[in-house]
Amino acid sequence: SQTIHQWPATLVQPVGSPLSLECTVEGTSNPNLYWYRQAAGRGLQLLFYSVGIGQISSEVPQNLSASRPQDRQFILSSKKLLLSDSGFYLCAWSRGGMYNEQFFGPGTRLTVL
Amino acid sequence: AQKVTQAQTEISVVEKEDVTLDCVYETRDTTYYLFWYKQPPSGELVFLIRRNSFDEQNEISGRYSWNFQKSTSSFNFTITASQVVDSAVYFCALSSSGAGSYQLTFGKGTKLSVIP
Repeated sequence: SQTIHQWPATLVQPVGSPLSLECTVEGTSNPNLYWYRQAAGRGLQLLFYSVGIGQISSEVPQNLSASRPQDRQFILSSKKLLLSDSGFYLCAWSRGGMYNEQFFGPGTRLTVL
Repeated sequence: AQKVTQAQTEISVVEKEDVTLDCVYETRDTTYYLFWYKQPPSGELVFLIRRNSFDEQNEISGRYSWNFQKSTSSFNFTITASQVVDSAVYFCALSSSGAGSYQLTFGKGTKLSVIP
């Protein structure tokens, strides 16, 4: 069966510091990978998605970036965090192709102070 | 443009009551998929169901049932005999070719509280 891991689970960072959140998927090959942010108020915002190694699509311009160095690894980064980057970050995967259901990881709660 | 509206922000019911969560969607595409997810207090989103636009049959899974009506662009979710463990935020989502078939457009969610 497939599993998706995210770490860390919680993170408190000062403004201006760098960020690296990691997501890995097990038990599947060539997944589509996604990063979402959920701010207070519950709405889910798609940040990035990837359909293959090195292929990243950005949905929202911001000071975040994503990379996919391996087939089942997806990394969310920032060089300098802003207060507005605080939120709950969720990684998800789906089977390759279109319209497929996405399966979410446990999330990382980021607080920028 | 595609959009998902969950007009009910919060709902409270007493345990064992039935409850229906509404979802209305907008899309110009003829091929699209609809989804429901559950987000318990732990935060992880749990996939519940996926339904394509060509299948209007209602779906039942235990205490859960879904009613898809293209005529009203709705995909409502009913929990029968609610339990405290059903307390969560529920999201309806849409995927269609027009907006990028890899993406899910989520509604803002409905917070369900089941009171013992």
